[in-house]
Amino acid sequence: GAVVSQHPSRVICKSGTSVKIECRSLDFQATTMFWYRQFPKQSLMLMATSNEGSKATYEQGVEKDKFLINHASLTLSTLTVTSAHPEDSSFYICSASLQIGTLGSNQPQHFGDGTRLSIL
Amino acid sequence: DAKTTQPPSMDCAEGRAANLPCNHSTISGNEYVYWYRQIHSQGPQYIIHGLKNNETNEMASLIITEDRKSSTLILPHATLRDTAVYYCIVRVGVEHNFNKFYFGSGTKLNVKP
Repeated sequence: GAVVSQHPSRVICKSGTSVKIECRSLDFQATTMFWYRQFPKQSLMLMATSNEGSKATYEQGVEKDKFLINHASLTLSTLTVTSAHPEDSSFYICSASLQIGTLGSNQPQHFGDGTRLSIL
Repeated sequence: DAKTTQPPSMDCAEGRAANLPCNHSTISGNEYVYWYRQIHSQGPQYIIHGLKNNETNEMASLIITEDRKSSTLILPHATLRDTAVYYCIVRVGVEHNFNKFYFGSGTKLNVKP
């Protein structure tokens, strides 16, 4: 089945550092990927939709200058947390889905294993 | 915003069937229902999805009511490894050629020996 790989799985860094997280679709092409964050004991919160070759679209309340998204190829999207602070510590998860190219595609999303970000 | 409601938690005895309900009373005619589960500190795992017919795969069965306002995920023989948070999701953005998911709170299934 479809596999999504996320790297790194865990990052610990100092406050003020920028951190890049990669999301790759291993055996399929994904023109659209999604980024979520999840705080302890909470559900996943959609942050943004990453579109290959165009700007990402962000959910309300998500700072686009804080969370930079680049989707330069059909198999890779990156999320950069700029000038990270302790409150940015969270579990970041990406997903992608096979797309048939027709409106109303019902293909499920496939998720990476997440990146645990800890800012000291 | 999530379009689904689920009970916060359920218990199930090992070896018995686990029936997890989900309400999605505002679902539109062409919106699918998806089920995922998340084991601690991992990404969500896809289980099954359906539109209006009942579906079955190697993991589970999905029963959707005729009016499509609710569904039930059935794990026929629950094991301890099925302990997880189960999410029922209705996609948003039918007008696009991709799925956009808003997760609700899910149901924490506790499978007990």
